[in-house]
Amino acid sequence: GAGVSQTPSNKVTEKGKYVELRCDPISGHTALYWYRQSLGQGPEFLIYFQGTGAADDSGLPNDRFFAVRPEGSVSTLKIQRTERGDSAVYLCASSYLGGSSSYEQYFGPGTRLTVT
Amino acid sequence: AQKVTQAQTEISVVEKEDVTLDCVYETRDTTYYLFWYKQPPSGELVFLIRRNSFDEQNEISGRYSWNFQKSTSSFNFTITASQVVDSAVYFCALSEAISGGYNKLIFGAGTRLAVHP
Repeated sequence: GAGVSQTPSNKVTEKGKYVELRCDPISGHTALYWYRQSLGQGPEFLIYFQGTGAADDSGLPNDRFFAVRPEGSVSTLKIQRTERGDSAVYLCASSYLGGSSSYEQYFGPGTRLTVT
Repeated sequence: AQKVTQAQTEISVVEKEDVTLDCVYETRDTTYYLFWYKQPPSGELVFLIRRNSFDEQNEISGRYSWNFQKSTSSFNFTITASQVVDSAVYFCALSEAISGGYNKLIFGAGTRLAVHP
C-alpha cells in the first residue's frame, strides 16, 4: 500500500519567509510524528499527534514552529519568520496504534528545507 | 535523560566482509524499546528491527543479526557477507514505552556504511 508521503520534496525560501510542509500518513495510522534531521545528524523529535491533538510538542524549538492535524489525517508543519538555522530535512512518520506493531514508525521521504 | 551513542561515524568495507555497527544507549527506564533504521541515499528511513527491554534474545534475519546486551547497554547490529546494496547510514534509536503506543524516538548520530565491490 501507499507509504507516508511528504510535499514538497524540496523547498527553498528566503530568510524571514513563512513555509508550510505537508505530511500525508499511511491510511489508518492514528499516530503521527514530525522529526527534523540536520546534516550529518540523526533525526530529532519535534511533535507527536494522537488523532487531531498534539499530545507532545516538547521538541518544537520555539514559537515560530507550529503544526496542525485538523482531521486526524494530513498534518502541516508551519514555520514562521524562517531563519538559516531552520535549514534541515523535515521528516514525518506515522504508526498504527494497536497490536504488536504499535511501536513501529514508518517514515516519509522528507522535505529538504533550505533557508537562504 | 535518554541518549544513544553510535561511536562509529563511518565504516568502509569490501563486499562479502562482515561488519558490526555499535550502539550504546542510556536510559533510566526499566521498560524501553530499541530500534535500528536504515537510511539509503534516497533519504527515506527504513525500519529494520524493534526490541523491547525484556527480550534479550539475539535475532537473526537473513544476513542481519542483532545482539542486545542489557548488562552493557548495547544493541549492536551485524551484517554478514556485506553487499554494495547495504551501503547506507544506519541509525540506532531508543524510546521509552508509554501506554497507548506513543513512543518518541531518540536517535543516535548514525553510522555511514560504505560497501565497496
